[in-house]
Amino acid sequence: ETGVTQSPTHLIKTRGQQVTLRCSSQSGHNTVSWYQQALGQGPQFIFQYYREEENGRGNFPPRFSGLQFPNYSSELNVNALELDDSALYLCASSVSGRKTDTQYFGPGTRLTVL
Amino acid sequence: DQQVKQNSPSLSVQEGRISILNCDYTNSMFDYFLWYKKYPAEGPTFLISISSIKDKNEDGRFTVFLNKSAKHLSLHIVPSQPGDSAVYFCAASGWPGRETSGSRLTFGEGTQLTVNP
Repeated sequence: ETGVTQSPTHLIKTRGQQVTLRCSSQSGHNTVSWYQQALGQGPQFIFQYYREEENGRGNFPPRFSGLQFPNYSSELNVNALELDDSALYLCASSVSGRKTDTQYFGPGTRLTVL
Repeated sequence: DQQVKQNSPSLSVQEGRISILNCDYTNSMFDYFLWYKKYPAEGPTFLISISSIKDKNEDGRFTVFLNKSAKHLSLHIVPSQPGDSAVYFCAASGWPGRETSGSRLTFGEGTQLTVNP
């Protein structure tokens, strides 16, 4: 059984650019959640996708957007990058969107904005 | 507004002894909690969870205790092993007071556990 995978592992961008991060969910999972983890902090919820539709959003501006595809993989897009967007971006998948479903995390994408 | 708090940034214990990691939450509507462990350069790994209808859940060396009246939970690791050295995150699942509309994890800041041989 393949776990959650994310690409790329590391990424360096400059302020104002756009970035796309990718996530493949674990086999049998139809829900993907994205989190941002700044240095020294816990992960912060960005949004969740369930069966290709946004199913909840945290306190992030609209320049953070996402997609989920029919195979349940997902993309996180960030426009107009700011220095504070530098963080580890984590993707997690779960069987469904219920709060009692365990979320399984990928290794993350480290984004650096210069 | 930090709804889930881990007030100890670090904890150091001897191999074989008990590790106790603590977590407090402020929103009484949270009713499902999880602990994750994170090694450097890896994503968080699920350890154990507990529902508010219970006050204790065990899985091998790991036990989670929940005190709803105090809005406090703790993770006990017995016996501690050097391989347990990692950052431990407490998280509350769901949207407080909402049964549907998806789930989200609200994390604490984490506690770095170091188990010395």
